[in-house]
Formats: sequence, structure tokens, C-alpha cells
Amino acid sequence: DQQVKQNSPSLSVQEGRISILNCDYTNSMFDYFLWYKKYPAEGPTFLISISSIKDKNEDGRFTVFLNKSAKHLSLHIVPSQPGDSAVYFCAAPLSGGYNKLIFGAGTRLAVHP
Amino acid sequence: NAGVTQTPKFRVLKTGQSMTLLCAQDMNHEYMYWYRQDPGMGLRLIHYSVGEGTTAKGEVPDGYNVSRLKKQNFLLGLESAAPSQTSVYFCASSYHPGQGSWSNQPQHFGDGTRLSIL
Repeated sequence: DQQVKQNSPSLSVQEGRISILNCDYTNSMFDYFLWYKKYPAEGPTFLISISSIKDKNEDGRFTVFLNKSAKHLSLHIVPSQPGDSAVYFCAAPLSGGYNKLIFGAGTRLAVHP
Repeated sequence: NAGVTQTPKFRVLKTGQSMTLLCAQDMNHEYMYWYRQDPGMGLRLIHYSVGEGTTAKGEVPDGYNVSRLKKQNFLLGLESAAPSQTSVYFCASSYHPGQGSWSNQPQHFGDGTRLSIL
């Protein structure tokens, strides 16, 4: 069974505070994970990834944490900015290789002043 | 750089009609993918291609056909459109990482085609 779940459809955060987006998965064999960001009427754009051999990856204001024992990853955005308002998808590789991806349902983040 | 370009951006079809969605990438990527996105769901893989002249089924291939006659183009066809195929369709492409990790070769997406079937 290969599933990637984002159980929070939406999140509202005040500008300057931390945004934490969560993602759970079922397949312990996933060897990497990715986060994509999507604005309305645009395609998803790659944000950050993490290999399963790491538990943290940081890129500027964005940090992804991986807890393999809990099969859980989270994306932290600090500080949150209004331009971060978008839908965020976590993704993991489908079996069979070739970089095929399975996506969570997404979390809509709204950052308000 | 244009990246990944999808045409058309919008289309309305009647049940039973056929159409082809075009995806073009200018990054010389080997791999190309078609996904659909429905409300409340993540993107789901329809078909993919690992090189010119090759195609393979993804998670939800029924009702669709694909072709990759040229490396830069990946076509998605609906032979007889059904209302259940109303969706937003995204094309993506990526490099093969060689000796590296797939996590370093993310997929690049087009801006989508919004398709409504009445």
C-alpha cells in the first residue's frame, strides 16, 4: 500500500510566525520525499526534498523534517510571508522507479498580515 | 526558458468527443509524465514515458492514450470523453539522475489544462 496523506486541508498563519505543514505516509520503503508549492492557475513548483537517510533538510526559510519511525514528515516555514500563501503538496516515489510520484491531497496555506 | 508548455489551457468537450492535449518541454528531459488533479485529491499519474518512443501506464490510465514520437513532446489523448474525465491535467518532465539521487531531480510541471466534459 502506497499512500501519502495530508490530513489538514487548510492552515491559516499570521505573517512572521511559523507555518508547519504535515504529511504522513504508509510505505516505509519510500527513499525520498518532496514538497511542491502551487499557486492558482499555475503548475506545482518544486520547493524542497529530503532523502530517507536524513532527518532534516534546510533551504533558507524552509526546513523539512523526517521522522521515519512515525512515518511522518513536516515542512516548516519561518518566518511566514504573504507570498507563501499557496497549496503545498508532499510527494513520494511510486514503486517501479522512473521518478513516478504519488502526491498527498495538499494543504492550503493562508498567511495573513 | 519556456520549461514545460501545455496546450490548450482550457477546453470544453461534449461526452463522446475526442481531443489531444499537447505537452512540450525544452529542457532535454528524458522522462515525461501526465497527471490529473481533482478537487480534494492529490495529483494522480495517468501515463509516463522514459524516452522517445516509449510509454507506460500509471495509476489511472483507463480512458487515455499517450504518444511520445519526439523527445520534447508528450501527447495525451482522450478517444471518447466522459464526464468523469473532467479535471485539470498537468504534464511534467525530469532528468534521469544518473549516479545521483532522484531527490535531486525533481519534476518540472506545466501550468495545466483545465478540461470540462459536459
